[in-house]
Amino acid sequence: DQQVKQNSPSLSVQEGRISILNCDYTNSMFDYFLWYKKYPAEGPTFLISISSIKDKNEDGRFTVFLNKSAKHLSLHIVPSQPGDSAVYFCAARDSSNTGKLIFGQGTTLQVKP
Amino acid sequence: DVKVTQSSRYLVKRTGEKVFLECVQDMDHENMFWYRQDPGLGLRLIYFSYDVKMKEKGDIPEGYSVSREKKERFSLILESASTNQTSMYLCASSPSMGLKLYNEQFFGPGTRLTVL
Repeated sequence: DQQVKQNSPSLSVQEGRISILNCDYTNSMFDYFLWYKKYPAEGPTFLISISSIKDKNEDGRFTVFLNKSAKHLSLHIVPSQPGDSAVYFCAARDSSNTGKLIFGQGTTLQVKP
Repeated sequence: DVKVTQSSRYLVKRTGEKVFLECVQDMDHENMFWYRQDPGLGLRLIYFSYDVKMKEKGDIPEGYSVSREKKERFSLILESASTNQTSMYLCASSPSMGLKLYNEQFFGPGTRLTVL
C-alpha cells in the first residue's frame, strides 16, 4: 500500500517557466517531508524539506508547500533551468525515532531550453 | 562533506550466486539504510540499521540479509540471487535524531546489479 504517491511519472516544462511537482500521502502521523533530486547514475541528493508544523519553506528557486488537510505537498521551481532536469522524489518521515523515510515513485522533470 | 561509498557501480551475477554489496560512510552516522530503486516504484526500503549489530526489516526484506559489524559499514547480502533482484541498489546513512528536528539521509552513488 503506497503511503506516499507521486501520480505524475513525468513533467516537461520550458526553461524559465515554473515547474510544479506534486505528492500525496495517506498517513497523518508523518511529521516531516523531504524532496530529493536524482540524476542518472548518481544517488539522490537532498533538496529541501518541511516540517508538518509549517505550510511553506523556501530556498532560493525552490519552494515546498504543505497542505495538511489535503495531505498534499508540492515543490515549485521558479524559474526552471535545464540543469533541473532530473528525477524528483518526495519522502515522508514517520513520527517514530528510527529515521525511516517513505519515498514516492518519483517524477521525471525535463526542462527544455 | 558526507561521503557514502558503494563497492561497485555495476555488477553482473548469475542466478543462484551469493552477492555482497558493501557500503561505507565516513561521517560517524548511526543509521544506515539499503534501498532498491525500480522504475515506477520509487525507492523501497530493504533493511536498515540504527546501531552496530542492530538491524530492522524494511518493506521488502525477502531474499536479502544484512550485516553491520562496524559503525561505518553496512553490507547487503543476496543469499541466492534471482533475476527479479536485478535493480539499482542504493545505500544511505543519517545521524540519529538526538535533538535534531530532522535527519536527512545521504546517499551513495548506487550499484546497478544485473542477475542473469
